[in-house]
Amino acid sequence: DGGITQSPKYLFRKEGQNVTLSCEQNLNHDAMYWYRQDPGQGLRLIYYSQIVNDFQKGDIAEGYSVSREKKESFPLTVTSAQKNPTAFYLCASSIDRTSGMRNAGELFFGEGSRLTVL
Amino acid sequence: AQSVTQLDSQVPVFEEAPVELRCNYSSSVSVYLFWYVQYPNQGLQLLLKYLSGSTLVESINGFEAEFNKSQTSFHLRKPSVHISDTAEYFCAVSDGGGSNYKLTFGKGTLLTVNP
Repeated sequence: DGGITQSPKYLFRKEGQNVTLSCEQNLNHDAMYWYRQDPGQGLRLIYYSQIVNDFQKGDIAEGYSVSREKKESFPLTVTSAQKNPTAFYLCASSIDRTSGMRNAGELFFGEGSRLTVL
Repeated sequence: AQSVTQLDSQVPVFEEAPVELRCNYSSSVSVYLFWYVQYPNQGLQLLLKYLSGSTLVESINGFEAEFNKSQTSFHLRKPSVHISDTAEYFCAVSDGGGSNYKLTFGKGTLLTVNP
């Protein structure tokens, strides 16, 4: 079955440690995204990538880094510079808009990774 | 810049009652509009979307939303809710141009359906 796989689902880390969250998709989607979700705040975009080896900062990129070496993979590193890293992190993908209207705007989400920094 | 306002953070209702979840947006360009649903500890799933054409859009599980350009609204409605509709609902907007689907989300409305 096609979909997006995020791992790990739950992660505990000590302050000052870098953490990498995995996101893999087998939907053959060009675009991938990382969102952060906090209670009552909705989803805020961290980084997004429209194509391999290219990515752009979203609204809250400080303290995070990403890479896009393969179309299927878009890992997110939460660095020690991120002041409030405890959150629920969601990865998503979508087809390129130029591929047609049928799936226009539809993001496919993974199940999320819940990071708790102790 | 776009923004989305979901006017109610929580909406409690009884089973079989009607419900409306309100969403207003601001944008200087034409938009695509979406409602996503999130069940506890899961990712989001697309519920319905407006791209163009008929301003009333429907989902397979009885929800509908109407795009109102003059009021910049995209309210979500269901005439009779079930316990299983309990979830958080997010309204989102994307601009009508560009080559990606970067969405701006509202803060969400928690719908709780009580027996």
